[in-house]
Amino acid sequence: DTAVSQTPKYLVTQMGNDKSIKCEQNLGHDTMYWYKQDSKKFLKIMFSYNNKELIINETVPNRFSPKSPDKAHLNLHINSLELGDSAVYFCASSPWGQAEGYTFGSGTRLTVV
Amino acid sequence: RKEVEQDPGPFNVPEGATVAFNCTYSNSASQSFFWYRQDCRKEPKLLMSVYSSGNEDGRFTAQLNRASQYISLLIRDSKLSDSATYLCVVNKNFGNEKLTFGTGTRLTIIP
Repeated sequence: DTAVSQTPKYLVTQMGNDKSIKCEQNLGHDTMYWYKQDSKKFLKIMFSYNNKELIINETVPNRFSPKSPDKAHLNLHINSLELGDSAVYFCASSPWGQAEGYTFGSGTRLTVV
Repeated sequence: RKEVEQDPGPFNVPEGATVAFNCTYSNSASQSFFWYRQDCRKEPKLLMSVYSSGNEDGRFTAQLNRASQYISLLIRDSKLSDSATYLCVVNKNFGNEKLTFGTGTRLTIIP
């Protein structure tokens, strides 16, 4: 069973479109995250949710809107996609207060053309 | 200055050699420290946590020097399967665990 699963794995879309990436974890963790890995392989946090509540928003453009319907799911919706949004987006989860327990999903490779 | 700095490499090392990676971090309030491994087109995975007392896991040894804000990773008797990017990671929050990643050091083990 996959612990943190993201869909889709690959996403190719045109500039200006709106797209969503879904993430689900079956580890019972309270906290979920979105990270972005850019073309230079630099991995940076975007958002963190704890038990459906937004905890971290790292000055991400408001075209990016995370939504957590329950603590096992954290989705990412992106409006008006731009070329610079092309990256790999990783979902992750951890128990509250336990960084050692971080588990990443396998990533969604987004290409905006 | 980046919060976490690493030599990006690449390090090309013959099989069986010992290789060491270093990392420095800027925030003295950082709480916990890790080395992650990321294979090409895969997600990052925890390799080991790093403690002030130093810790060892098989061929891997990690050290933390809080005074110098310096973290190291030593790989002994390197294997072909050790080829990957090694990411130095620090966490300065307690509670909502926001990991700050270095840019990674790319290691290739040569047969």
